[in-house]
Parts: sequence; structure tokens; C-alpha cells
Amino acid sequence: AQTVTQSQPEMSVQEAETVTLSCTYDTSESDYYLFWYKQPPSRQMILVIRQEAYKQQNATENRFSVNFQKAAKSFSLKISDSQLGDAAMYFCAYRSNSGGGADGLTFGKGTHLIIQP
Amino acid sequence: NAGVTQTPKFRVLKTGQSMTLLCAQDMNHEYMYWYRQDPGMGLRLIHYSVGEGTTAKGEVPDGYNVSRLKKQNFLLGLESAAPSQTSVYFCASSYRRLAGGKQFFGPGTRLTVL
Repeated sequence: AQTVTQSQPEMSVQEAETVTLSCTYDTSESDYYLFWYKQPPSRQMILVIRQEAYKQQNATENRFSVNFQKAAKSFSLKISDSQLGDAAMYFCAYRSNSGGGADGLTFGKGTHLIIQP
Repeated sequence: NAGVTQTPKFRVLKTGQSMTLLCAQDMNHEYMYWYRQDPGMGLRLIHYSVGEGTTAKGEVPDGYNVSRLKKQNFLLGLESAAPSQTSVYFCASSYRRLAGGKQFFGPGTRLTVL
């Protein structure tokens, strides 16, 4: 079974600065996807960014980018120019692609990101 | 286009009572999922369905049953609720062929079992 580990229960950053959230995962598979989800106090799960394991290029979405190290099984999220609206729980998630795309997501325990004004 | 909706949003049960949570999606997605989220934890998969009339167990299926009689609906049932089932329940859905399998989540149902 796959596991996802987020070692930082809480992170704090000044507004406009850059912060990196860590995620490591354990799998014996080679074909999978990795995700970062944001969960604000409203509880809604919002997809931030997605990475396909067979793509070496790191995914980017505006101020959000990832550092995907497949050999090290590491998938960190970098948030540039942090904004107050970025404050939320962030979850790293893994999905195998071996089940024809039907597999559910395996989540880490989350990192609570605080933005200091 | 409402996306993924969940009914109810909140519910309080007594131990031993039963209830059904309804998930509906209007995006014609083939796959649907039920997760639970406990304090300090990420979401964990309870059951999922790859199509109408089919269901499968996830990571934490005990104490729950599911049914998918219509493509757009996925029901989660608790036959005899226990305090350990106090949690926030999320439904999600996705396309079968969408690369990356992005899952669309509902707003969640907060369930308290006394």
C-alpha cells in the first residue's frame, strides 16, 4: 500500500514571501499521479496542482510550483508571493494509475499554512 | 452546473441509529468516491464505484455500505452508527478517461454520533 507523509504539521510565512511545503511518499509503482489540495476553513477541497510521474518537468500553476524528485519520492510545493488567501490546510495526495484510473486518492495528514500580514 | 452536491450538510445521530448520505453529480462522471476526514488526518477512502451498479471497498470500509443505482448518485449508508464514525464525509467524482484523474469534491457532510 502507498503512504504519503507530510512532516510539517504547521508552517508560517510572511505575506509576499515564499514558502515550501514538504511531502514524501512510498510506492513500488512507476505510473502514478501526485496532487496538492488546498482546504480552507470552508472545508472545500480545491486542487492546487498536479504532477504526472512520467513527466520529468515540474508542474507550475501561476504562483504555485512543485519540485518533483521521483528517485527520492519527494514532492514539495512552493508558493511564491504568499497571499492572505493562501492560508489553509494543504494536503499532498497520491493516486496510482495501475487500476485504469479508478483508484482513490491516498492523502497525507496535511500542513496548516499560516500567512502573517 | 452544480458539480458535486452532498445531502445533508450536517447531521447528529445517536449510537445505533441508521442514516444515508446522498452524493449527486451532474458532470456525467463514471467514477465516484466516498472519503472520511478525521481531525489531524487527511481524507481516507471508504468505498468507490467505477460505474452504475458496481462498488468496491477502499481503505476504511467497515461499518459502511454503498449503492450506485444511478450513474449520477452514490449513496453511503450507516446501518448502526457508532461514535467512531463521527467525522466529515466527502464525496468526489471523476471522469474515466481524463488524464491525471482529477477528482471533483463535494462540500462535505459533518456527522456527529453521540
